[in-house]
Amino acid sequence: TQLLEQSPQFLSIQEGENLTVYCNSSSVFSSLQWYRQEPGEGPVLLVTVVTGGEVKKLKRLTFQFGDARKDSSLHITAAQPGDTGLYLCAGGKWSNTGKLIFGQGTTLQVKP
Amino acid sequence: DAGITQSPRHKVTETGTPVTLRCHQTENHRYMYWYRQDPGHGLRLIHYSYGVKDTDKGEVSDGYSVSRSKTEDFLLTLESATSSQTSVYFCAISESLGAGVETQYFGPGTRLLVL
Repeated sequence: TQLLEQSPQFLSIQEGENLTVYCNSSSVFSSLQWYRQEPGEGPVLLVTVVTGGEVKKLKRLTFQFGDARKDSSLHITAAQPGDTGLYLCAGGKWSNTGKLIFGQGTTLQVKP
Repeated sequence: DAGITQSPRHKVTETGTPVTLRCHQTENHRYMYWYRQDPGHGLRLIHYSYGVKDTDKGEVSDGYSVSRSKTEDFLLTLESATSSQTSVYFCAISESLGAGVETQYFGPGTRLLVL
């Protein structure tokens, strides 16, 4: 069974703090995607990284794909209450089915 | 917005009754997926489809069946609902980014309560 382990599972911080969420595996992935999900809604795609060592920035969010394509991180600078939600990472494999392997998720609460 | 809708959005049913959830997409995507999301388990794949009338099982397929008679519709059926099937169900489509890389977009979800 291929697993993606996210850490931490829960994070509660004050507005303005920085944080990093990790997504680790022993498997190699063709791509790594990050989603954010708010209560009562479906996951929304934030970014897809496909090249080992790739770094992508989305405003205050920085995503990195590990050199060996086995891990990824999401760093948020100066977190805001609007960043509150469930963050999911998902790994893709080279296949023709499009299936993804999901991590368990990180619940982030940013207090004003 | 990948043009994915799910119906119903909320459903309350009784144990033993059949339930069908519908996923509709407007952009002619080949791959469609059904997931369930439960606390402590994340998103788990129930079934997926790789074309009209082409479906396959995911990791938690017991008690569920699917059908895809048209490209745009993917139906999930609980033949005889049980309380363990109380969950939030998400439909997703896959979009190719090239070079064997796919990414998924999700519908808004259906919240199902089996009493």
